[in-house]
Amino acid sequence: KNEVEQSPQNLTAQEGEFITINCSYSVGISALHWLQQHPGGGIVSLFMLSSGKKKHGRLIATINIQEKHSSLHITASHPRDSAVYICAVRGNTPLVFGKGTRLSVIA
Amino acid sequence: GAVVSQHPSRVICKSGTSVKIECRSLDFQATTMFWYRQFPKQSLMLMATSNEGSKATYEQGVEKDKFLINHASLTLSTLTVTSAHPEDSSFYICSAASGGAADTQYFGPGTRLTVL
Repeated sequence: KNEVEQSPQNLTAQEGEFITINCSYSVGISALHWLQQHPGGGIVSLFMLSSGKKKHGRLIATINIQEKHSSLHITASHPRDSAVYICAVRGNTPLVFGKGTRLSVIA
Repeated sequence: GAVVSQHPSRVICKSGTSVKIECRSLDFQATTMFWYRQFPKQSLMLMATSNEGSKATYEQGVEKDKFLINHASLTLSTLTVTSAHPEDSSFYICSAASGGAADTQYFGPGTRLTVL
């Protein structure tokens, strides 16, 4: 079974800071998801990637298949970015989720 | 983009009653739907995978007689928590995929169940 580890578990940042959240997994995958869960609970899919890098607005996601590692970057962070960010990996089985990184951005 | 809805968003019920949660794919046909449960400050845990027109596949430790799943159409799956107890209080999230388990999943907004 794939083990998914995220770091840090909790992160507090000042508005405007550059933020990086890391995700490592133990077994080869076909794709990796980054999800955002707001305090109300709803989940939004931010990225799905299997190689390289994707960018959407202030969010950037990268993945290194050889190192089994992905990062999610947020540039010019804003209080509205405060949420739990979850990494999930997909291989031959349904998604396996990390425990999430709780981000708080302070104005 | 693909939209998945859940109803209700929040439900409070008495112990011993049954609660039905609906998951709908609004603008695509969902061959496969997934039901997850999330306890406070925990990661999502897959409960079961359902394919339209067939019986759901339950994860180890999930009681199929307690958590009844029906995926009767390509746009609707329901999860019924039977004889709910306070320990069933949780956040239930569904996701839907147009292909199989390996396809992109679109998540619903979740249903918060509180059993008194």
